[in-house]
Amino acid sequence: QVHLVQSGAEVKKPGASVKVSCKVSGYTLTELCMHWVRQAPGKGLEWMGGFDPEDGVMIYAQKFQGRVTMTEDTSTDTAYMELSSLRSEDTALYYCLTGHGWDLVYWGQGTLVTVSS
Amino acid sequence: QTVVTQEPSFSVSPGGTVTLTCGLSSGAVSASYYPSWYQQTPGQAPRTLIYSTNTRSSGVPARFSGSILGNKAALTITGAQADDESDYYCVVCVGSGSWVFGGGTKLTVL
Repeated sequence: QVHLVQSGAEVKKPGASVKVSCKVSGYTLTELCMHWVRQAPGKGLEWMGGFDPEDGVMIYAQKFQGRVTMTEDTSTDTAYMELSSLRSEDTALYYCLTGHGWDLVYWGQGTLVTVSS
Repeated sequence: QTVVTQEPSFSVSPGGTVTLTCGLSSGAVSASYYPSWYQQTPGQAPRTLIYSTNTRSSGVPARFSGSILGNKAALTITGAQADDESDYYCVVCVGSGSWVFGGGTKLTVL
């Protein structure tokens, strides 16, 4: 069973960057494909990007290209999502979501990012 | 820009059967889109119900099932219970490693 633990809540000013972590246990990060999803208050789920098992690269949703970077530290089995140039509309719960290959199964507990001046 | 469509809301009687669907703004959903379904109650992280069209996630009751119906992915709840009242989201892989969530369906059990 895969278990994901995310870093704690963040409060950032507009224009700043935030980096959220997601620690994997139960499997190694190299055995999984990691994705990131966000949910603004009262809104639906939004895929931000993730690992493409076919091409072996990170793919980002067009909306976030140029602002988001998803990385992995396989030595600690920790995935990271960094979002830059934050604005108020980026206030949301950010989730990591993973599984084997094309299966998106296991969720982190979520990290609240608040962007406020 | 691909849009994934879901019914905004649905209602089912306790003990009844309901089928929620997940379609594409253009084209048909097939198993090669790896559709998955998630249940979310207020204040909670999403819970995975079904992945890769019809594989039930660990611990999910058998009353939840996934399939392809016509040109859409479908989630069927057989014998709905009060605590099935939740938001339900689907996600599909639309190609080139990109995924898109549907807007979600608010299910009422009454």
